[in-house]
Amino acid sequence: NAGVTQTPKFQVLKTGQSMTLQCAQDMNHEYMSWYRQDPGMGLRLIHYSVGAGITDQGEVPNGYNVSRSTTEDFPLRLLSAAPSQTSVYFCASRAAGGYTDTQYFGPGTRLTVL
Amino acid sequence: GNSVTQMEGPVTLSEEAFLTINCTYTATGYPSLFWYVQYPGEGLQLLLKATKADDKGSNKGFEATYRKETTSFHLEKGSVQVSDSAVYFCALTFSYNQGGKLIFGQGTELSVKP
Repeated sequence: NAGVTQTPKFQVLKTGQSMTLQCAQDMNHEYMSWYRQDPGMGLRLIHYSVGAGITDQGEVPNGYNVSRSTTEDFPLRLLSAAPSQTSVYFCASRAAGGYTDTQYFGPGTRLTVL
Repeated sequence: GNSVTQMEGPVTLSEEAFLTINCTYTATGYPSLFWYVQYPGEGLQLLLKATKADDKGSNKGFEATYRKETTSFHLEKGSVQVSDSAVYFCALTFSYNQGGKLIFGQGTELSVKP
């Protein structure tokens, strides 16, 4: 049971490039989310999904795209990278059953946009 | 709106010292409250939680009590160890939050010296 996995661990992009951050979970969780972590700001929600084929925006969705074709995978796409998107990105998953249930986080992807 | 405020870090303590990390929240309604911990280079892990007023969450010697009258959820530990060095996040969610969305505080870095 690997839990939540994220790739890559580190990435450097140039302004305007696009890329996809991968996230996968093997716990059969319905809920998956992407957060970004910036110094002094905690974690902020980018996009989330409550099941395959269903996604919605979080607090800071601009510049990011998501899709959820399977229960296991929830990739995050940066369409045209900007320096403001330099951050650490965390994927999380949770079972749908109880709103107080544990959210499981991946190890993070550290992205630098030059 | 709903928000979480934590005390500024970094907090530096000697081993076996008493720890308090303050957390207060602003919320419309009755959220569930959480403390997550992030060890260096890792993702976040749930440390403890409380789902209603006067509940006490506890784990690994840490505890926090949900105080509705002061809208607080302060984290305490009687005797810290070097291995407790990490960043601690206070967070809240509501039963009606789609996808189990969490609202995080800014995080408090704890450094424990031998």
